[in-house]
Amino acid sequence: AQKVTQAQTEISVVEKEDVTLDCVYETRDTTYYLFWYKQPPSGELVFLIRRNSFDEQNEISGRYSWNFQKSTSSFNFTITASQVVDSAVYFCALSDEETSGSRLTFGEGTQLTVNP
Amino acid sequence: NAGVTQTPKFQVLKTGQSMTLQCAQDMNHNSMYWYRQDPGMGLRLIYYSASEGTTDKGEVPNGYNVSRLNKREFSLRLESAAPSQTSVYFCAADRVNYNEQFFGPGTRLTVL
Repeated sequence: AQKVTQAQTEISVVEKEDVTLDCVYETRDTTYYLFWYKQPPSGELVFLIRRNSFDEQNEISGRYSWNFQKSTSSFNFTITASQVVDSAVYFCALSDEETSGSRLTFGEGTQLTVNP
Repeated sequence: NAGVTQTPKFQVLKTGQSMTLQCAQDMNHNSMYWYRQDPGMGLRLIYYSASEGTTDKGEVPNGYNVSRLNKREFSLRLESAAPSQTSVYFCAADRVNYNEQFFGPGTRLTVL
């Protein structure tokens, strides 16, 4: 069975601080995909990144960066110089290797609050 | 290009009532999904449809039925609503082997 754990339920930082959101996953598949989604207060789910299990390169997109380490089954997300608009719930998710549709297993989410 | 749309946005039901949540996508994606989101529990998969004409159970299918009406539309039906089904429901769609799911705006359902 697949499992995603986001141990940090809530994080509160002051604007311009860096913050890292942790994600640990469990799967028996050798091929899988990891995702991060953002859910702002308005409620929609915004796709941030997808990473497949064969690509352990870290990725940077503006103030966002992701650190994927298969050895520790972790896929952590860092926001550099946080801003108030980053306040949201962030979900890490795992997809199994299905050739006919991918089912996402989500973590419980981390509520990030960035204070001015 | 609206992506994934859901109707209604809000709904209040009484215990025992039935209703259908509608979902449509205009991206020509093969696979569609229904999730529910409860406080502190993330999203959980209810049902999914890998392609037109097929449906499969997800993690929490009890109390729900689905219909993949055509490639565009995937509906979720509650035959006899229960308070435990109070939740936010999200529909999603993605392409085979592409693994990026696009989500609808959600339906907030309250069962009294």
